[in-house]
Amino acid sequence: DAGVIQSPRHEVTEMGQEVTLRCKPISGHDYLFWYRQTMMRGLELLIYFNNNVPIDDSGMPEDRFSAKMPNASFSTLKIQPSEPRDSAVYFCASSLGQGSQKLFFGSGTQLSVL
Amino acid sequence: KQEVTQIPAALSVPEGENLVLNCSFTDSAIYNLQWFRQDPGKGLTSLLLIQSSQREQTSGRLNASLDKSSGRSTLYIAASQPGDSATYLCAVLYYGGATNKLIFGTGTLLAVQP
Repeated sequence: DAGVIQSPRHEVTEMGQEVTLRCKPISGHDYLFWYRQTMMRGLELLIYFNNNVPIDDSGMPEDRFSAKMPNASFSTLKIQPSEPRDSAVYFCASSLGQGSQKLFFGSGTQLSVL
Repeated sequence: KQEVTQIPAALSVPEGENLVLNCSFTDSAIYNLQWFRQDPGKGLTSLLLIQSSQREQTSGRLNASLDKSSGRSTLYIAASQPGDSATYLCAVLYYGGATNKLIFGTGTLLAVQP
């Protein structure tokens, strides 16, 4: 398996623009997580899905952020409108089950909002 | 509040030394604890996962221990090598009923000098 695949690897955009980040989890994994990593706050869980259903979105910073998982092999994280404080590395991760299995991360999307 | 703390924030050792990284957590109601490695510009790689019923896990030169009663875990690296240089993060999966929370520490930046 190719692992968790994220695109794009880097995104530079201007304030106010819409940004869409994409993730393909490992085939067969039933949990998918979106994390954000910054120097100031470390790794923060934004939202996670189980079998394509959002379970906990309490980490989504505000209504500008939304996430979808239309099928088991694809998820998106959208920011509209984007702001400079959204600049961070966004990671997608997946696992088979939640309790006993390791978490596998993608390489991340480095987002810069100017 | 469920928190995860890692000490030290940074560590520099000469090649060949054995070393210990520390992780502490505030709530003993945990499902499991994972240790991750993050290389610059990359995602996280799971190294070891310890279930709450276990005391330790070993993989090669790595050994992770878990003491729930004291809220501590250690990652022991034997005979360190320059290739071990990376940021090491621990993450605790706390029980949350329907929404378990995986909380990350801020990491220990390890530099192994040749």
